[in-house]
Amino acid sequence: QQQVKQSPQSLIVQKGGIPIINCAYENTAFDYFPWYQQFPGKGPALLIAIRPDVSEKKEGRFTISFNKSAKQFSLHIMDSQPGDSATYFCAASDSNSGYALNFGKGTSLLVTP
Amino acid sequence: KAGVTQTPRYLIKTRGQQVTLSCSPISGHRSVSWYQQTPGQGLQFLFEYFSETQRNKGNFPGRFSGRQFSNSRSEMNVSTLELGDSALYLCASSSRVHTQYFGPGTRLTVL
Repeated sequence: QQQVKQSPQSLIVQKGGIPIINCAYENTAFDYFPWYQQFPGKGPALLIAIRPDVSEKKEGRFTISFNKSAKQFSLHIMDSQPGDSATYFCAASDSNSGYALNFGKGTSLLVTP
Repeated sequence: KAGVTQTPRYLIKTRGQQVTLSCSPISGHRSVSWYQQTPGQGLQFLFEYFSETQRNKGNFPGRFSGRQFSNSRSEMNVSTLELGDSALYLCASSSRVHTQYFGPGTRLTVL
């Protein structure tokens, strides 16, 4: 059973566009929500993370928006570049269950020149 | 600091065999987690070790096992390999709650 649902499965935007990737969860015990970026042949790399007491967090061109009541969170990539083309995964974890991350199925992003 | 290293990077086995994968965490990190990545199921948590003790386990059969040594290095073992075990196996290390750093993975192919 997928505890974190991610959409869309794939996304194509032009350079400079703002791709948005959405995730939803059911388990209200989740208290940590990271986003990972993965390039082919590499392991996932932590991009940005948020906790439920914050509604938005920005790091460089990456922004997480978090809606606790709707149990949804999203990643926005400002001024996207071809180098951002990768697979993005959202995840969630419950600190009472150790460090186990529950991942969404991923979004394949292509930024065209 | 050097990142998480995993060996070997690629492995080909046949059904019924067993395999052992190795992971060296970032220096100073005491937690090591293992994940299986497949196109169909995505990234799925296998288990987590902290100070040589298994702290958490995902929903995988008993053929999947692991251990952690006193230097925090970890190994995972899969016995009686099945075709469906073909996947990228990722190791992640952490020094504090939640922030996990992944290695490049071991690509296992079962023929």
